[in-house]
Amino acid sequence: KAGVTQTPRYLIKTRGQQVTLSCSPISGHRSVSWYQQTPGQGLQFLFEYFSETQRNKGNFPGRFSGRQFSNSRSEMNVSTLELGDSALYLCASSPSGSIADTQYFGPGTRLTVL
Amino acid sequence: AQTVTQSQPEMSVQEAETVTLSCTYDTSESNYYLFWYKQPPSRQMILVIRQEAYKQQNATENRFSVNFQKAAKSFSLKISDSQLGDTAMYFCAFIRSNNNDMRFGAGTRLTVKP
Repeated sequence: KAGVTQTPRYLIKTRGQQVTLSCSPISGHRSVSWYQQTPGQGLQFLFEYFSETQRNKGNFPGRFSGRQFSNSRSEMNVSTLELGDSALYLCASSPSGSIADTQYFGPGTRLTVL
Repeated sequence: AQTVTQSQPEMSVQEAETVTLSCTYDTSESNYYLFWYKQPPSRQMILVIRQEAYKQQNATENRFSVNFQKAAKSFSLKISDSQLGDTAMYFCAFIRSNNNDMRFGAGTRLTVKP
């Protein structure tokens, strides 16, 4: 099976812009989670989607949003970008989103905000 | 709040030797899972090993094993016969019942020296 794919792999934006990142889960996986990784804050949970519904959300401002499509692909959107949004954004998929599932991570999207 | 602490920011080990990475966590939950993930320079997060809290037996995956001490809330990773390809950041992670908010430690950078 193909792994989790994320597009684009690298992105450069300027402050105030918005950005959309995409994640395609492993075939058959219905849960997608998003994480932000920065040198200062480490890995932080953003949100999790299952069957097109957001089930869990981390402690991030409303500028961070996401959605999931019927084919389980997910997008996350960051509006009004700030310098501090520069990070590696990782998505992970799992079959059912149960905590017993293993989450499989994609290669990440490196976002740089100038 | 659930927290994960990795007290060793960096470690090094000679090839073929054994190294142990420490992790402690804090939770009031009784049902949870613990993981060790590896992140090599490519940035792809790879699952190394997982442990269900209700299982007393320590998990083992080839050269990787854990020492799970539930009462002490400790979850250390032992890497035997270290290989150059083991050089990576290692993250300890925790996920609790009914919530897919995976919490990560700050990571331990492991360098395997030839």
